[in-house]
Amino acid sequence: QAQLVESGGGVVQPGTSLELSCVDSRLTFRRNSMHWVRQAPGKGPEWVGVVTNDGRNKYYGDSVGGRFFISRDTSRNTLYLQINSLRLEDTAVYYCVPGDPGDAFHTWGQGTLVTVSS
Amino acid sequence: EIVMTQSPATLSVSPGERATLSCRASESVVRNLAWYQQKPGLAPRLLIHGASTRATGVPARFSGSGSGTEFTLTISSLQSEDFAVYYCQQYKNWPPTYTFGQGTKLEIK
Repeated sequence: QAQLVESGGGVVQPGTSLELSCVDSRLTFRRNSMHWVRQAPGKGPEWVGVVTNDGRNKYYGDSVGGRFFISRDTSRNTLYLQINSLRLEDTAVYYCVPGDPGDAFHTWGQGTLVTVSS
Repeated sequence: EIVMTQSPATLSVSPGERATLSCRASESVVRNLAWYQQKPGLAPRLLIHGASTRATGVPARFSGSGSGTEFTLTISSLQSEDFAVYYCQQYKNWPPTYTFGQGTKLEIK
């Protein structure tokens, strides 16, 4: 049974907004920092950003600018990614990944596909 | 930003032979280096972390080496299921600016 299940992807128009969710069924969700990683078609993975285990600190990759916002709801074991002003180049599979400082990405979700198209 | 450069882009090897993949970092990442395997339609799978530690369940034919800026993934005797794309990733910094290489496609010769 999948431990990390992303949802919320689909076909969207440029300039619109979208919220992705990731439900984490592991017992350690509240202890881990949680990342979003995306992968455009035919490209390598790209780190999007992270929220710390307490939800207080959020860091983002240089390429996503100020359009991406990560949050988490520990009571629901859920991670979120809000993407505003979607661009064609945001087309990708988006993965949620647990990962603490100084550690690699041991567990990945199955991803959710976002296609930005007019 | 630390840039990760993988070589070669494509590697053709026969089953049973050894494959050697390279990854170079634009500055030292010490040993904060991971290798992932990815097959079509699936998420990346962690193979190696800490430059040389195999992840849980990864066969012993996979080995990693290196430190600083130069790293190598070696697959000692290729099996059919090993043909895939391989990515390296650095996770040195916190606050993080994690970066991946562009990948090496390992194909059957």
